[in-house]
Amino acid sequence: DSGVTQTPKHLITATGQRVTLRCSPRSGDLSVYWYQQSLDQGLQFLIHYYNGEERAKGNILERFSAQQFPDLHSELNLSSLELGDSALYFCASVRGATNNEQFFGPGTRLTVL
Amino acid sequence: KNEVEQSPQNLTAQEGEFITINCSYSVGISALHWLQQHPGGGIVSLFMLSSGKKKHGRLIATINIQEKHSSLHITASHPRDSAVYICAVRDYGQNFVFGPGTRLSVLP
Repeated sequence: DSGVTQTPKHLITATGQRVTLRCSPRSGDLSVYWYQQSLDQGLQFLIHYYNGEERAKGNILERFSAQQFPDLHSELNLSSLELGDSALYFCASVRGATNNEQFFGPGTRLTVL
Repeated sequence: KNEVEQSPQNLTAQEGEFITINCSYSVGISALHWLQQHPGGGIVSLFMLSSGKKKHGRLIATINIQEKHSSLHITASHPRDSAVYICAVRDYGQNFVFGPGTRLSVLP
């Protein structure tokens, strides 16, 4: 158990809908990273938050957004869902801002029908 | 050309064998990570390297910054080492770029 929690574990929804994925980092970790893992594109970095502020953006679509709240949990919002958004979404937490070991959550499996 | 490449793509070994997985990258990096993804999907961070060599138990990771290459070695491999091993680099723009992964099967 990494100490990072993600909810829900599974999510099935329809095209055009909006969903919110939640990540709670390990106690004391200030950074949260979000990643997408799809069958055809592998793991991709989406976005990094540190202590409530956005630090880096990767391949995150404009339909996707994220935030980190004062209690350090983070939410990834996916809107106008398309079939291609079906993937595993992982978050990872890190103690500091940059180069430290990442602790991954169990992931949320999103299926868009 | 992908920014991060791994070889081999797939690897089957007998229990006890010494295993090497390679990672080459084409961008400047601030750090390189080796990750292990279990068949159930969970991801564990094995190493974070910016230079030299690190060792945890039977696992050893090395990096050569000049050659833009890293290797992950597993000594005395065991069936429980069967997983996908993923190399990821963090570039100076603070983005992560992942390799395609190496699928390892260790047979008893």
